[in-house]
Amino acid sequence: SQKIEQNSEALNIQEGKTATLTCNYTNYSPAYLQWYRQDPGRGPVFLLLIRENEKEKRKERLKVTFDTTLKQSLFHITASQPADSATYLCALQMDSSYKLIFGSGTRLLVRP
Amino acid sequence: DAGITQSPRHKVTETGTPVTLRCHQTENHRYMYWYRQDPGHGLRLIHYSYGVKDTDKGEVSDGYSVSRSKTEDFLLTLESATSSQTSVYFCAISEGTGFGSYEQYFGPGTRLTVT
Repeated sequence: SQKIEQNSEALNIQEGKTATLTCNYTNYSPAYLQWYRQDPGRGPVFLLLIRENEKEKRKERLKVTFDTTLKQSLFHITASQPADSATYLCALQMDSSYKLIFGSGTRLLVRP
Repeated sequence: DAGITQSPRHKVTETGTPVTLRCHQTENHRYMYWYRQDPGHGLRLIHYSYGVKDTDKGEVSDGYSVSRSKTEDFLLTLESATSSQTSVYFCAISEGTGFGSYEQYFGPGTRLTVT
């Protein structure tokens, strides 16, 4: 069966450390993998995406990797801050599709 | 949330009553989507639209219908609300980047409670 897995347990880290979130998928072949941030009571906000032929993408303190062999994406936030505390969602986009398939998200808590 | 509004933001209704949620965009994006978000399930696609009067079903479409008579408006209707439709509903919009990717931009959500 097809599924997307993100760690359902919250990730609790100290300010200044690097947070690493995982998105694993099974029986999908996405052309793009997207990451979103969601704060309580608000809609998700697009952060960045990575294409299947890219290994790594960076944007300021954010880094995403995409391993199509392992069927996994890692999302890193370096020098984390309490303001980074939120739920982070990964989403798969298949080639020639304008629909996304979302994971259920991982909550990140950054302690001051 | 800029450019996308949802109304109402909160609604409590009784089982069996019809409910319509509205999504309005000012971005002139072609694609619009309705999702529901429930604990443990993440975002699930209900219906989507790829143009005026062009709509299709998502993975959890039973009990819902949609209409899009103008580019800017996408309506979600629960014909006869049930308690299982208690959820937070999000509208999203998208426009192709030209590189094949479709990032989505979400509205603020509507919290619907069916009693």
